[in-house]
Amino acid sequence: DAKTTQPTSMDCAEGRAANLPCNHSTISGNEYVYWYRQIHSQGPQYIIHGLKNNETNEMASLIITEDRKSSTLILPHATLRDTAVYYCIVRVSFGNEKLTFGTGTRLTIIP
Amino acid sequence: DTEVTQTPKHLVMGMTNKKSLKCEQHMGHRAMYWYKQKAKKPPELMFVYSYEKLSINESVPSRFSPECPNSSLLNLHLHALQPEDSALYLCASSYRDRDEKLFFGSGTQLSVL
Repeated sequence: DAKTTQPTSMDCAEGRAANLPCNHSTISGNEYVYWYRQIHSQGPQYIIHGLKNNETNEMASLIITEDRKSSTLILPHATLRDTAVYYCIVRVSFGNEKLTFGTGTRLTIIP
Repeated sequence: DTEVTQTPKHLVMGMTNKKSLKCEQHMGHRAMYWYKQKAKKPPELMFVYSYEKLSINESVPSRFSPECPNSSLLNLHLHALQPEDSALYLCASSYRDRDEKLFFGSGTQLSVL
């Protein structure tokens, strides 16, 4: 699986959009971008994933650049409950059972 | 039911003890996983079971012994652990299909004295 690079930490004001970047310059054509988050004292939680096109669900939006070398997770209206470590992971979606976590971004929502 | 349930939530054991961690899911998932997470570090994969067969062992020491009695249950048997094995042990499950989303439990916080 390709490696990812994320900022160690970020702050965001409550109610604003939180934009979390991820670099994955060595991503392969069949690798998806996945985002998980881990709130303190809980297990990781799946947020969203995508291959080429931008994706949106009830939790977040995922913007993938045209060359697929980077992506941004957007939490449109951050709340205090979004304070967590956010992990960007690239992997083949099917046939590869390994989900390998990088160091992630610690996002703190400021009241 | 979209939960992965892990028991116990906390466990303290001595180095000579034998204990087991339990994980259960009723979502019809056919893949189950054990991860280990040290404080302030990302989770690290230990084992993967696919259709009740061990498919991945990430060179985990034999003092950790996984078991998958059926498609809903996953155990991790612990014996002769070391203090450095103290960590949060996370169980996860997933469908074996194209959208390989993992669902995680809240973990067992293990302390080895």
